[in-house]
Amino acid sequence: DVKVTQSSRYLVKRTGEKVFLECVQDMDHENMFWYRQDPGLGLRLIYFSYDVKMKEKGDIPEGYSVSREKKERFSLILESASTNQTSMYLCASSTIPQAFVGGYTFGSGTRLTVV
Amino acid sequence: EDKVVQSPLSLVVHEGDTVTLNCSYEVTNFRSLLWYKQEKKAPTFLFMLTSSGIEKKSGRLSSILDKKELFSILNITATQTGDSAVYLCAGNYYGGATNKLIFGTGTLLAVQP
Repeated sequence: DVKVTQSSRYLVKRTGEKVFLECVQDMDHENMFWYRQDPGLGLRLIYFSYDVKMKEKGDIPEGYSVSREKKERFSLILESASTNQTSMYLCASSTIPQAFVGGYTFGSGTRLTVV
Repeated sequence: EDKVVQSPLSLVVHEGDTVTLNCSYEVTNFRSLLWYKQEKKAPTFLFMLTSSGIEKKSGRLSSILDKKELFSILNITATQTGDSAVYLCAGNYYGGATNKLIFGTGTLLAVQP
């Protein structure tokens, strides 16, 4: 089974801190994604990466950056955490479009609280 | 603007009931429609629908897509308490270098004993 692992299940950080959320997948998937999930707003795409060192902004990239130095790892960085970034963060991975038969595989999520 | 709309937002049923969850979409360069089940953590994949009118089934769950009306439904028969979850619908499109998903806000299903 494809496994997507997010390093932390729960995090509490202070306003202004730099926060790193880590995601690792073990199926050699080319594509990786970061979403945030908020009540009433659903899942919204923050950033995605289709190859090592390649990244593209999603729908809500402001206040975030990402890093993909290795194929299996995709990090989300909150440069200066703010309370409006309190949310559930979900990482996902997928294979190439030509083999896209099972959708995305998601990690278990990181619930981040910024105080 | 692309969007995926799910209805109802929530519903409560009793074990044994049959439920129908709805998903309408307006997605540019649409390729497929996906359903996920989310129980407090990672969404898990249920179905991917590419063609109109072809029902996909997995146990008590089934789903169908209507590409003319831009609509999909997810049916659950003989519901069980373990079906309680948020059900997410997503429209798949090819954007940039990869497949992307645009999600609805989900339907919260509560199945009471």
